[in-house]
Amino acid sequence: EVQLVESGGGLAQPGRSLRLSCTASGFTFGDYTLTWVRQAPGKGLEWVALIRGKGFGMTTDYAASVKGRFTISRDDSKSVAYLHMDNLKSEDTAVYYCARGPGFCIGGVCHREYYLDYWGQGTVVTVSS
Amino acid sequence: QSALTQPASVSGSPGQSITISCTGTTSDVDNYDFVSWYQQHPGKAPKLLIYDVTKRPSGVSLRFSGSKSGNTASLTISGLQAEDEADYYCSSYTDISTSVLLGGGTKLTVL
Repeated sequence: EVQLVESGGGLAQPGRSLRLSCTASGFTFGDYTLTWVRQAPGKGLEWVALIRGKGFGMTTDYAASVKGRFTISRDDSKSVAYLHMDNLKSEDTAVYYCARGPGFCIGGVCHREYYLDYWGQGTVVTVSS
Repeated sequence: QSALTQPASVSGSPGQSITISCTGTTSDVDNYDFVSWYQQHPGKAPKLLIYDVTKRPSGVSLRFSGSKSGNTASLTISGLQAEDEADYYCSSYTDISTSVLLGGGTKLTVL
């Protein structure tokens, strides 16, 4: 069974840092792109960042709102993806979800899929003084 | 402002059918069959309902269907049930960036 479990959320002061983790199980982690999506209180979903697997060169992309402040990384040996958030702002307050996708590579064949098929339950980040 | 436009809310009575629209541009919905839909109940994680415009993941009810015409994709829910009351989000591939494009979400109320 595919599972994604986020952790590391909490209360942080503006300007401080937090690191979120997304621990995966039930699939070959290194084959898949991992994505972070957030949801501010009472608002819609906002894409934050993604990191592709080895087959796609482990490249990363970021939303304009977090570029330069957030860094996404992964440790395939531990099946964990990270979101390191620096210089936090009040507008970063949200539930942060990790999701599997879009896209994966298996057996040297890469599939450029464009959907997020499994999501974690989220971790809450509150930025306030 | 989201790049994909959805109505803020829709409603319907049990047993009826409703349709949620998702309007994009020639850079996304119009020219690519890579639209997906997600359902989110309050306090819960989003769940994939539809991908590649019309495909349903295993386990998703046949009452949910997707379609597309020009730059507008649609999610139709037939035989509305109380448990369908949730927020629904569309997403699409875009050729102008490598980001994940999301709609603003639509709140479905079952009357």
